[in-house]
Amino acid sequence: AQSVTQPDIHITVSEGASLELRCNYSYGATPYLFWYVQSPGQGLQLLLKYFSGDTLVQGIKGFEAEFKRSQSSFNLRKPSVHWSDAAEYFCAVEVTGGGNKLTFGTGTQLKVEL
Amino acid sequence: NAGVTQTPKFQVLKTGQSMTLQCAQDMNHNSMYWYRQDPGMGLRLIYYSASEGTTDKGEVPNGYNVSRLNKREFSLRLESAAPSQTSVYFCASTRQREIGETQYFGPGTRLLVL
Repeated sequence: AQSVTQPDIHITVSEGASLELRCNYSYGATPYLFWYVQSPGQGLQLLLKYFSGDTLVQGIKGFEAEFKRSQSSFNLRKPSVHWSDAAEYFCAVEVTGGGNKLTFGTGTQLKVEL
Repeated sequence: NAGVTQTPKFQVLKTGQSMTLQCAQDMNHNSMYWYRQDPGMGLRLIYYSASEGTTDKGEVPNGYNVSRLNKREFSLRLESAAPSQTSVYFCASTRQREIGETQYFGPGTRLLVL
């Protein structure tokens, strides 16, 4: 069965600094990959997703993610973090034949220092 | 469009009590999902409904029942609540039950079972 690992439970960055959130997946083939963001007290919102093609994917709010097959990774990046980016970020995978079910990582809580 | 709405926002139950969590979407989506979110565990799928009139078990269905009342509404019922069901519950919907579809989430219901 597929699995998703987000090794960082908490990350703190200063406003204006760059950000990279790590995500590793375990699956035999290339899965469908997603990043969702959850602001405090809110539901999850899709930031971006990757299926195939260009391995660098652009999303909303200035985020991007890069798929690296050799490392089974799909890390999320942002060049300059804003205070409003403080939230919890979830990586998720979906696999063919998996019943169209998302498997989520455990999340990374981002704190932004002003 | 309100998107995905959930009621109630908060609920406190005593062990053994029953309750129904309501979810509705106004995006004309075919598929709907119920997740629970627990600290350090990400989101786990409880039940889903691929289309009106169908429901299927997800990863953690025990202790829950669901009803797809119509295309808009998908309810989750706890027949006899247990402390282990203390969690945050999210409803989501997708246009179709196809791989890669973006899931749209409601704001969640926070449930405490004493």
